[in-house]
Amino acid sequence: QKEVEQDPGPLSVPEGAIVSLNCTYSNSAFQYFMWYRQYSRKGPELLMYTYSSGNKEDGRFTAQVDKSSKYISLFIRDSQPSDSATYLCAMSASTGRRALTFGSGTRLQVQP
Amino acid sequence: SAVISQKPSRDICQRGTSLTIQCQVDSQVTMMFWYRQQPGQSLTLIATANQGSEATYESGFVIDKFPISRPNLTFSTLTVSNMSPEDSSIYLCSASGTSGLEQYFGPGTRLTVT
Repeated sequence: QKEVEQDPGPLSVPEGAIVSLNCTYSNSAFQYFMWYRQYSRKGPELLMYTYSSGNKEDGRFTAQVDKSSKYISLFIRDSQPSDSATYLCAMSASTGRRALTFGSGTRLQVQP
Repeated sequence: SAVISQKPSRDICQRGTSLTIQCQVDSQVTMMFWYRQQPGQSLTLIATANQGSEATYESGFVIDKFPISRPNLTFSTLTVSNMSPEDSSIYLCSASGTSGLEQYFGPGTRLTVT
C-alpha cells in the first residue's frame, strides 16, 4: 500500500465549477501538507502549504486537512480552463527525514 | 520563492553513456533535492544534495549510479551513469529553506535513453 493515495483522474468539469481534489495517507508522522500544480512538460509549482487541521484559503483555492481521518483536500472555486493541469499532493514528517512524499497526481480538465 | 533553472532541458543518450544535469538557483538555499518522475507517475526522491558533503540517498538509489555534487549554496549537479532505457525519465531539481518543506522545482530534464 502506498503511503499517499490520490485518484489519478482524469477529472473533467465545466468552466465555473467547484473542483474537489483529494488525497489520503497512512503515515501518522506526516504533519505538513502541500499542493502542487504541474502543467504538461513543466516542473511542479507550489500552490499551498499547511500544517494544521482545518481550512486555509488563498484566492480561489482552499486547502483542507483532517488529520484524524488522514485526509486532505484542495478545492478550486470558479474553475478556469487555465486550471487544467495535474495536481499533486505532497506530505512531510515533522521531524527527521524532511523529504516530500508525493501522491500520484490527479489530472484536471476544465472545459470552456 | 526561488527561481530554479536546469540544463539541459532534454537529451537523447545512448545506452552505457553518462549525462550530467545542472541545477542553478537564483538565491542561496539551504536544501536541494533531486527527484525522478517516470512517465505518467509521481515524483520519487533520489537524494538530498548536501553542500560540502556527500549526498543522502533514498532507498533504491546509489551513489555509483547517481553521483551528486553541491559545491555551493546555489548549484548542484546530478549525473546519471551507465545509462539504460529504464533510466528514461524526467529528472527534477528542487530547493528550499532550512525546513525543507516549501520546495520549489526546476522545469525538469527530460532524458531518453536508446
